[in-house]
This record gives sequence, C-alpha cells and structure tokens, in this order.
Amino acid sequence: GAVVSQHPSWVICKSGTSVKIECRSLDFQATTMFWYRQFPKQSLMLMATSNEGSKATYEQGVEKDKFLINHASLTLSTLTVTSAHPEDSSFYICSARPPGSGEKLFFGSGTQLSVL
Amino acid sequence: TQLLEQSPQFLSIQEGENLTVYCNSSSVFSSLQWYRQEPGEGPVLLVTVVTGGEVKKLKRLTFQFGDARKDSSLHITAAQPGDTGLYLCAGVGGGFKTIFGAGTRLFVKA
Repeated sequence: GAVVSQHPSWVICKSGTSVKIECRSLDFQATTMFWYRQFPKQSLMLMATSNEGSKATYEQGVEKDKFLINHASLTLSTLTVTSAHPEDSSFYICSARPPGSGEKLFFGSGTQLSVL
Repeated sequence: TQLLEQSPQFLSIQEGENLTVYCNSSSVFSSLQWYRQEPGEGPVLLVTVVTGGEVKKLKRLTFQFGDARKDSSLHITAAQPGDTGLYLCAGVGGGFKTIFGAGTRLFVKA
C-alpha cells in the first residue's frame, strides 16, 4: 500500500527558533500534499495544500509567513514553523492521495511539536 | 462551507457492548471515509463509502452511507479494548480538500 513518511516524529525547540518538518511519499509521486494540525483531543484542521512546483494554498486564518511550505519535488513537501512560540505546539500531520486512490488520504505518522 | 457533524464526541463502554457513531451533513458528498487514529500517530483509513445506501462490513464494524449521501454511520458489534481510539469521518469538499468531523473518542473497558 501507499506509504507517506513524516520526519521527525517529535521535536522540542526553544521559543523563537524555526522547525522544519518533512513529508515524503515513498512509493508514489504526489503533486499535491496536505498539511493538517491537530490539537489535543481535537480533530484534524487543514492548514494548507502543498502544490509541487508552485505556491501552497493556505486555509483561512493560517499565516503563510509563519508556516512556510515548500514542495520542490514530486516526493517531498516540507513545512517550516518559523519563529515558533508555545502556542504553535501541536501535532502536525501530512497526507497525500496516491494516483488511482480516488478520494482516500494516506497520512504520515505525524510530528509532535513542543515549543518551550 | 461544508461541515461534517460527528456524534457522540466521547464514548466509554464495557467490552462486549455495541455502539454507533454518526456523521451528518447538510451537504451531499461524493463519498465519505472513516479513519481510525491512535495517539501519536496519523489516521488510518478504514473504509470509503461511495454509493447512497451502501453498507460495508469490516469484521465487527459496519459502515453505512445514507441514501442521500449526506450522512454515514459506523456500528461496532461486541466492542473490544483493541477498538479504543479516535474515529473520524471525512469527506471531500470544494477544491478536492478533505474535511473531517470532530471525531469520536472511543474507550472500551475490559
């Protein structure tokens, strides 16, 4: 089955630093990837759609300068949380739809970010 | 804006009991998906329902898609502690973006 790999699984950083999260499609090419954010005991909220070779599309209320997305190849999208603050602490999950999978999403294992 | 309302949000039951989770919307979806998520991991797809009135079974789990394709249900028979987790319904809305219900956190006590 399709595999989406996300790294790192968890990261702790100081306030004011930047953190990069990688999302890779291991056995398929993904022209589009999706980044979600999940607070404890809550559902997944779509942050942005990452588009290979072009700018990401951000959801309303998500700061594009705060959450930088780069999708430079068909197998890699990165999310950089810039100048992180404690309120950015959350579980970040990427996902993608392999060709032929219809509307099903395959998710990475998520990244737990804790900003001190 | 398409919304998916999921209920109940939390359910704590004894092993062996049955339960049903509901997912409702005022919008029509071409399909709905059900995912299960364990703590600290990404959601895993359980099933996709596509046709109005469709019923799919996955061992002790039964999924149904409403005739009007606006709602879906997940029924678990004889729940086991291993069924504990967060169950999410999801549908694809405008821009081919997947939106999620609020989730149902299920806890099955042995």
